[in-house]
Formats: sequence, C-alpha cells, structure tokens
Amino acid sequence: ETGVTQTPRHLVMGMTNKKSLKCEQHLGHNAMYWYKQSAKKPLELMFVYNFKEQTENNSVPSRFSPECPNSSHLFLHLHTLQPEDSALYLCASSQVQGKNTGELFFGEGSRLTVL
Amino acid sequence: GDSVTQMEGPVTLSEEAFLTINCTYTATGYPSLFWYVQYPGEGLQLLLKATKADDKGSNKGFEATYRKETTSFHLEKGSVQVSDSAVYFCALSGRAGGTSYGKLTFGQGTILTVHP
Repeated sequence: ETGVTQTPRHLVMGMTNKKSLKCEQHLGHNAMYWYKQSAKKPLELMFVYNFKEQTENNSVPSRFSPECPNSSHLFLHLHTLQPEDSALYLCASSQVQGKNTGELFFGEGSRLTVL
Repeated sequence: GDSVTQMEGPVTLSEEAFLTINCTYTATGYPSLFWYVQYPGEGLQLLLKATKADDKGSNKGFEATYRKETTSFHLEKGSVQVSDSAVYFCALSGRAGGTSYGKLTFGQGTILTVHP
C-alpha cells in the first residue's frame, strides 16, 4: 500500500447510526487532515493533527469526533448525523516542518450519504 | 483572513483550445501557492506549486506564475485534452500571522470539461 487510503469509499447511514471513517497514510508524514467536500461549496477544513495532537478544529459540530491514535492513522467517528452532512470526506497528510505545511497528499475520499 | 478566489465555472472547451483559470489570493506575507486537480471519483492531486514571487510551477503542460504584484496565480495550458476534464483548485499555504498558517486554504474549484 502506498499513499493515503480511505475506507469505506461509500457509506450510507441513518441519522441514529454510529459509524466511523478510517484513513491510513503510508508516506511517513507527521500531519493528517480531514476535509469536507460538499456540492457547490469550497473544500472545508475540519480537523488538523500534528504529531497526533489536534491543532485545528474548524468549528465542527460535536457529532463529528476525530481520533488520531498515531501519525499514520486518522479516524472520523460519526453519530446522530443530519442529511446535510452528506458529502465527500477527504483525508490528507503532509510533512510539516515548523509551520511549513508543504504539499498535501489526499486519499480518494469516503462518500457519505445520511438518510 | 487568508482567502483564495477562483474564476466561476464551469469552463467548457474544445480539444486543443487554450485554457486559463484565474486565481487571486489574499494573505499575510508571502504564501506558497498550489494548484490541485480532482479527476472524477478521485481525491485531489497536486498539479503544480510555487513557493516565492516570480516562481513558475509547471507539470503535464500546465503552468502558473506566482505574481506578487497582482496577488495572482493563474493556471494556463496551451492545448487541452479530453483527459484534462476535472475540477481544478487553487490553494495557498500561509506564513506566520495569517489564518492559513500551518494549513492550506482552497478556492471553490473550477469544473473544466473538454469536448473532442
């Protein structure tokens, strides 16, 4: 495996379900990100982790709960979501040196549909 | 705060036409600038980048020049192909003091469709 891998690629869930999105990077990077991509909206940064520590929470509702157990893995736990949360969720990683973000490497995304 | 503005899409061109997608930015200091491309059903891939004023990034026939005086980073290609059909995102990574410090800020994306 190389690059950034996201699972599942597609997820359909009801508003009362609990599910998780998983991201794994095989690039040796020290920072990981969750972005939300909705139709006709700019990419929205949700969370940033540097060296497993959360450094950014972009006013994301608490029904989205991130977890970063190590520099290679990132999860997004989902519970009691709303239909407007349906979107493509993109994971990315980068090698941060100081505060220089560098190039982001993206996974292919998890397409979430909330019924 | 830092921001990126791209030209409205969608853009529809015939094969071998000239492409320009405009991108302007607002940022504190001198950010690094990027163009990412998203092909259908895939994540974003870095297309090219420039880290200082007057740098020209290039890849796969695409070019963009970092223009500090006009705060622009327009994407150009001399002859597009059907396989270039995708969504193109301009982005910046800011310096200390800006809201993009330690992260990327993206434009809204421009959909490009190239017909045979």
